[in-house]
Amino acid sequence: DAMVIQNPRYQVTQFGKPVTLSCSQTLNHNVMYWYQQKSSQAPKLLFHYYDKDFNNEADTPDNFQSRRPNTSFCFLDIRSPGLGDAAMYLCATSRASGGPTDTQYFGPGTRLTVL
Amino acid sequence: GQNIDQPTEMTATEGAIVQINCTYQTSGFNGLFWYQQHAGEAPTFLSYNVLDGLEEKGRFSSFLSRSKGYSYLLLKELQMKDSASYLCAVVDSNYQLIWGAGTKLIIKP
Repeated sequence: DAMVIQNPRYQVTQFGKPVTLSCSQTLNHNVMYWYQQKSSQAPKLLFHYYDKDFNNEADTPDNFQSRRPNTSFCFLDIRSPGLGDAAMYLCATSRASGGPTDTQYFGPGTRLTVL
Repeated sequence: GQNIDQPTEMTATEGAIVQINCTYQTSGFNGLFWYQQHAGEAPTFLSYNVLDGLEEKGRFSSFLSRSKGYSYLLLKELQMKDSASYLCAVVDSNYQLIWGAGTKLIIKP
């Protein structure tokens, strides 16, 4: 089945130790998004790619970086995780227009714990 | 600023009907989404409204009034598996998706 896959589902890291989360999709969508979601809060958009065109949200900390080496894969790098970065990280994709009027399809998320 | 308001939590009984409201103030409007999110899982798409009126899809219906900045999600014949958070999200004039914090729906037998 076509889908959005995130690995790992659960990630534990130590304060300040870099971590990389991965997302892959078989939907052939050209837009990919990374969200951070904390408990009982709305998802917060960190950045998105329209093909290889990277779009960073103004309030996304520099500690968060992203790479999209090809259409199918996208990575979220947290260079120096702090306790406040513990959250669920959601990857989503949407179709060609690049605008959110296209439905976003979410992966299962990666729950990050920072010790 | 842009704002999406939803009740934080609602409780309903299995087999009953529940209406979850969403009001929004955004810079422009290009549609409204409802997503369902079970605890610890990713949001899944339920509905998209861009024109006024009611869209029915099985047990779930979504209503939009653009003049009032208002939408609701109506769930009929509630089942225990409907216990989840329901997120309202609006597309603004810049095609940015503005998310509400979600309404946690608790279903009791």
